[in-house]
Amino acid sequence: SYVLTQPPSVSVAPGQTARITCGGNNIGSKSVHWYQQKPGQAPVLLVYDDSGRPSGIPERFSGSNSGNTATLTISRVEAGDEADYYCQAWDSSSALFGPGTKVTVL
Amino acid sequence: QVHLVQSGAEVKKPGASVKVSCKASGYTFMGYYMHWVRQAPGQGLEWMGWINPNSDGTNYAQKFQGRVTMTRDTSISTAYMELSRLRSDDTAVYYCARGGIIGTTQNAFDIWGQGTVVTVSS
Repeated sequence: SYVLTQPPSVSVAPGQTARITCGGNNIGSKSVHWYQQKPGQAPVLLVYDDSGRPSGIPERFSGSNSGNTATLTISRVEAGDEADYYCQAWDSSSALFGPGTKVTVL
Repeated sequence: QVHLVQSGAEVKKPGASVKVSCKASGYTFMGYYMHWVRQAPGQGLEWMGWINPNSDGTNYAQKFQGRVTMTRDTSISTAYMELSRLRSDDTAVYYCARGGIIGTTQNAFDIWGQGTVVTVSS
């Protein structure tokens, strides 16, 4: 079965750039979506179809996908970006989530 | 504005069933798939399946087949998820989430309910 991998944690200083990877076999052939989840809250869609951004999501959040790795990039990181981030894709008719990455703002 | 509002917290004993509701507003309920996702304490997100509110068709994750039933009541724009034969490891927050337009695939979940805490304990 298809598996998505993510680093457990990423640490970044305010104002810097955070990159969160999502690995999978030939993931570049799939559409990847990204969600942000803050403690005690429901997930929020950040990026859809690799690089699309829903209305209301800041331009600081961007995505890319190629080969075996999809990447969520957070530019000019702010304290409020501290959260868990999940990638998601579809394998056949089943939705899969990555294990999640905790972003800590130093 | 698009909203999904879920029913309140539940406490169940092992072996019992739980039914969670999700009321949609602000969009055409029958036009989009409705998905269910759960999250155990301290764990990641786990997809359970979807229902097509228009046709009543369903697609369940293999892990939950035989224990989960997703239904809907189009007259009140509400989707339901019932999980039977509950075990302690079913303790989790259960979310409904709107998927893509009916007939499309590979979509993201763009709107989420607030979550329903289900606790399974003897």
